[in-house]
Amino acid sequence: GIQVEQSPPDLILQEGANSTLRCNFSDSVNNLQWFHQNPWGQLINLFYIPSGTKQNGRLSATTVATERYSLLYISSSQTTDSGVYFCAVGLGQGGKLIFGQGTELSVKP
Amino acid sequence: GAVVSQHPSRVICKSGTSVKIECRSLDFQATTMFWYRQFPKQSLMLMATSNEGSKATYEQGVEKDKFLINHASLTLSTLTVTSAHPEDSSFYICSAFGGGYGYTFGSGTRLTVV
Repeated sequence: GIQVEQSPPDLILQEGANSTLRCNFSDSVNNLQWFHQNPWGQLINLFYIPSGTKQNGRLSATTVATERYSLLYISSSQTTDSGVYFCAVGLGQGGKLIFGQGTELSVKP
Repeated sequence: GAVVSQHPSRVICKSGTSVKIECRSLDFQATTMFWYRQFPKQSLMLMATSNEGSKATYEQGVEKDKFLINHASLTLSTLTVTSAHPEDSSFYICSAFGGGYGYTFGSGTRLTVV
């Protein structure tokens, strides 16, 4: 099956710093999503980005499908950005998603 | 935006009893619902996929007789953990796809079996 690897596994930032999270996947996919899981367990969909670049406020994401990786950029980090960021891939919208192991981000004030 | 309501948020049950977790899409119809379990500091592991009116498709290694999934309508899916044991203690999360909202997740249920 498809393998999804995320790096780094853990990241500690000072408030205001920027960061880049990476997601590598082992096979061609046509569905790639980034999620944020807050400390209480709620998952929020950040981006649907099977290819190309998208931006939403301080967050942006780029997927290079031909090279099988995606990057999530967080700029001017805030303490509320803390939590776990998951990359998930699948073979179509509405199909099952395979999650990476996540990057646990902690933003210190 | 889309909301998926998951209840209960927290449940403690005795070993050998059954627990039902409900997942409801509040303002859209979900073509597909997914059930995951998550152990502390680990990723989400897909347990099963369900479509309204049909049997759930379980992932390899998931006991279908232990984890009963009922997708009664386009807005409601339930997961029943039968004859629960301490090793079933985990965080269970549902996700609903549909309504043009993509994947929307419930807030999760923390199950503790004592």
